[in-house]
This record gives sequence, structure tokens and C-alpha cells, in this order.
Amino acid sequence: AQRVTQPEKLLSVFKGAPVELKCNYSYSGSPELFWYVQYSRQRLQLLLRHISRESIKGFTADLNKGETSFHLKKPFAQEEDSAMYYCALTFRNTDKLIFGTGTRLQVFP
Amino acid sequence: DVKVTQSSRYLVKRTGEKVFLECVQDMDHENMFWYRQDPGLGLRLIYFSYDVKMKEKGDIPEGYSVSREKKERFSLILESASTNQTSMYLCASSFPRGVANEKLFFGSGTQLSVL
Repeated sequence: AQRVTQPEKLLSVFKGAPVELKCNYSYSGSPELFWYVQYSRQRLQLLLRHISRESIKGFTADLNKGETSFHLKKPFAQEEDSAMYYCALTFRNTDKLIFGTGTRLQVFP
Repeated sequence: DVKVTQSSRYLVKRTGEKVFLECVQDMDHENMFWYRQDPGLGLRLIYFSYDVKMKEKGDIPEGYSVSREKKERFSLILESASTNQTSMYLCASSFPRGVANEKLFFGSGTQLSVL
């Protein structure tokens, strides 16, 4: 079955430090991967998707099919990056989106 | 601006009650979803609908049913609420894959407590 794994429940860093939120998936075909973010008291929203190859709010994520990973990275964390981050996967012939368990990022001043 | 509206922000029900959670979207999206969000478990898909009167089970459909009589409305039904269904319920909608802007839009959630 398709699965998304986020091994870290909590990641704490200081402002200005690099950040990497890990995401691994299990799917034998060609998936589409996403990162969603939920800031405090806000709705869950799309941060970025791998097919766009974009950088949003300084975050990037590269799909590594060999390692089946889609880690989210930012070189210099900001306090406003503190939020809950979810990695998500969809795959061929379905519009269903499967989410990981989420990682809470805390950025201290 | 896309809007996904969940009828209740907080709901308290008793064990055994029948519970209806309502979700309405105003963007003419074909797809609608119900997830539950639990600490440490992330978002788990309960049911998914890709058209009116069409539905598909997600990962945890047991104890739930859904109704989609109109394109804009997707209801989640707990036939007989139990304490283990205490959770945050999130509704979402989207266009089908391959259509522009196919990301999920989420509602603000309904925190259901079953006593």
C-alpha cells in the first residue's frame, strides 16, 4: 500500500539555522509529492509540489526516486516558519491524497 | 477566493448519537474529501468523492458514511458516535488531476468530542 513516512514528530532549531524536514514514501510507480503546512490557528494549505520545482518562502524540496524521499529544506529558518508540516502523496489513476503523520517545526529566536 | 466551509467549529455529542458533519465549497470542485486529524497520526482519509453521488472509501471508513447529493456539499455521517471518534475533522475540495490549480483547499475543521 502507498505510505508516507515522516520520522520526526518535532524539529526544533534556532533562527538562522538550516532546516530539513524528512519525508519518505512507498510507491512503486511515479508519484506526485506535496508539502502542506498548517500555521497556528490557520487552515492547512499547500506549500509546494514537486512538479512545480518551485521555492516557496525559501523552502525547496527535491524528489529523489532512488531514495524514495522528498525532504523539505530551508537554508535559514525564520520564527514565522514555526508550524505543522505534512508531506503528501498522490499516484496514478486517483485523486486521493495520502498524508504523513506530520512534523512540528519550532524555530526559536 | 476559494471557500470551504464546515458548518460547526466545535461539536459535543453523546455516545450512540447520529452525527452529521457538513461541508460546502463554492469553487465548483469535483473532488471532495473528509479527513480526520489526530496528534501523532497525521491526516487520515475517511472518504473521498469525485462526483455527485460517487464515493470511495479511504483508509479508515469504518463507523462513517458519506453523502454527496449536490456538487457543492459533502456530508460525513457518524451512524452511532463512539468515544474513539473524538477528533478534528477536516473537509477539503479540489479539481481533478490534470486541471490547473489542482491543490486541495481545506476547511477550518470541526473539533468533535464524543462523551
